[in-house]
Amino acid sequence: QKEVEQNSGPLSVPEGAIASLNCTYSDRGSQSFFWYRQYSGKSPELIMFIYSNGDKEDGRFTAQLNKASQYVSLLIRDSQPSDSATYLCAVYFGNEKLTFGTGTRLTIIP
Amino acid sequence: GAVVSQHPSWVICKSGTSVKIECRSLDFQATTMFWYRQFPKQSLMLMATSNEGSKATYEQGVEKDKFLINHASLTLSTLTVTSAHPEDSSFYICSASGQADSLGNEQYFGPGTRLTVT
Repeated sequence: QKEVEQNSGPLSVPEGAIASLNCTYSDRGSQSFFWYRQYSGKSPELIMFIYSNGDKEDGRFTAQLNKASQYVSLLIRDSQPSDSATYLCAVYFGNEKLTFGTGTRLTIIP
Repeated sequence: GAVVSQHPSWVICKSGTSVKIECRSLDFQATTMFWYRQFPKQSLMLMATSNEGSKATYEQGVEKDKFLINHASLTLSTLTVTSAHPEDSSFYICSASGQADSLGNEQYFGPGTRLTVT
């Protein structure tokens, strides 16, 4: 059974601080990893993808991948109230379908 | 780039009628489209995967005769909910992955269609 696990939260972070979201996955052979943001009542929006070990930065977002430990994380620097949403980790297990975690609900406190 | 649209954004229909939802990739060719359903406060549930010109592959427990999927072109897939019932009321979301220099195998989601069956 291919699984993606996330802490469901809620995770509360003060405005301006760093929010750290974590995700673990079950298949060591996975190659592609994605972070989606979903606001309440809206569809998911792709914010980061990462294929190689290490860090990938895009603006205030940094994705970190450690294949040996089978985890991927998302850091949000200078958190803003508009970052309050559910963040979904998704992994390709090589069968064309994305497997999603259940999501972490993030709340940025002004 | 990588924009996916859905139509309609919301629909209300009577029990027993059929509803068609369209999903279009606007600026890339979608070799594969996916249909998801999401109930309130729950995670996304994949219903089916469709490749252009082929029959859709349905997930276990999804009735293929009830949820008809057509992927006739590289930019359009449709989901028809036949003989809809109140328990089919949900948020239906499509996503697409496909061909473009900037696209790997990431999926881009449409804005979703909220279906209410009365």
